[in-house]
Amino acid sequence: AAGVIQSPRHLIKEKRETATLKCYPIPRHDTVYWYQQGPGQDPQFLISFYEKMQSDKGSIPDRFSAQQFSDYHSELNMSSLELGDSALYFCASSFTEYNSPLHFGNGTRLTVT
Amino acid sequence: ELKVEQNPLFLSMQEGKNYTIYCNYSTTSDRLYWYRQDPGKSLESLFVLLSNGAVKQEGRLMASLDTKARLSTLHITAAVHDLSATYFCAEGGSGNTGKLIFGQGTTLQVKP
Repeated sequence: AAGVIQSPRHLIKEKRETATLKCYPIPRHDTVYWYQQGPGQDPQFLISFYEKMQSDKGSIPDRFSAQQFSDYHSELNMSSLELGDSALYFCASSFTEYNSPLHFGNGTRLTVT
Repeated sequence: ELKVEQNPLFLSMQEGKNYTIYCNYSTTSDRLYWYRQDPGKSLESLFVLLSNGAVKQEGRLMASLDTKARLSTLHITAAVHDLSATYFCAEGGSGNTGKLIFGQGTTLQVKP
């Protein structure tokens, strides 16, 4: 079965640089979520999109922005990177069906040096 | 503020033993999820619990939900080494945006 696809898998950036993470949700899933997971931490919700519109927002820094495109893929843009942004970034998708679990991608490991 | 708290945070056990992981949550949500994560890997959905008294079992894992106590448990029966991983519970929260709020995770280490 198709899964959530994220790219790149690994990304190394320097402080103050910009990074773009991409996510391709499972076909026919209409909601996309972004989570950030620091080392040894639980995943923290950043932002979500339903049918290409932002549906919820969590603890996402102002330096970050995201959008969902007409083909349903989503991008997380991160600017003025800081050392503390080093983390695993997960994308997940689901149906809007109320009880549907989130299906997570393999994540992008971002290292800021 | 939504809070999800797991107990214990780290669990080391011998193969063949039983143990329970506890998950307390703060809202009146009726949706509770359990995920498994291997180091550096993705989160794998294990159970979706949707109503008070719900019980689900898969292999050596059994999850239950008590919405009145705001408590979910993940019971491990006769643990095997392959169950070594970090287990997260997550609450669906109120509303219908679908986002999940995760607990801190319980790292399970099963020794042969």
